[in-house]
Amino acid sequence: ETGVTQSPTHLIKTRGQQVTLRCSSQSGHNTVSWYQQALGQGPQFIFQYYREEENGRGNFPPRFSGLQFPNYSSELNVNALELDDSALYLCASSLGAGTGPLEQYFGPGTRLTVT
Amino acid sequence: QKEVEQDPGPLSVPEGAIVSLNCTYSNSAFQYFMWYRQYSRKGPELLMYTYSSGNKEDGRFTAQVDKSSKYISLFIRDSQPSDSATYLCAMSGETSASRLTFGEGTQLTVNP
Repeated sequence: ETGVTQSPTHLIKTRGQQVTLRCSSQSGHNTVSWYQQALGQGPQFIFQYYREEENGRGNFPPRFSGLQFPNYSSELNVNALELDDSALYLCASSLGAGTGPLEQYFGPGTRLTVT
Repeated sequence: QKEVEQDPGPLSVPEGAIVSLNCTYSNSAFQYFMWYRQYSRKGPELLMYTYSSGNKEDGRFTAQVDKSSKYISLFIRDSQPSDSATYLCAMSGETSASRLTFGEGTQLTVNP
């Protein structure tokens, strides 16, 4: 069991609203990466947080923002929701930003539906 | 053009068949090559990974990387119905090993 948890499991929002998704990283991990996975697509990298600082960002607009807390849990915030934001949002935790894939674990995801 | 290309399938095979899954990529900086398995509505789980070129075998699974052709493969021998899932290839570079670039995923069904 990976120990990465995400909440909520599912949620439904209306276009234009704001949403906050949460991720608790595996014990001892100080790096959290967020991914968006649209239906039938592979995950796309949104951004990464390492020791509470953003450490790399993918091709996503500024209305996607995040936070990492001193306990290394993390939040993903999305403002002004659009229909295309409907997706499974995954977080992955690892020990160190340069850690190889063996030490990176994914959570089960939060499924967001925007109507 | 996407950095990583993967045939989305779907792929349907009889139990016991050999399955071949493939990805091509364009970024020469990729050094880590991974295969993830994802069951419906779950997070991806790492199946195998290879650093740089070469082959790696783990039970019924074999991963191959050909950096000269920018082509990676996953072979599943004696496929089982429990192998039915979406298989995602993923890659990352040396300096940002935990930032993954995924393929689209191939949906595999193994029929009993």
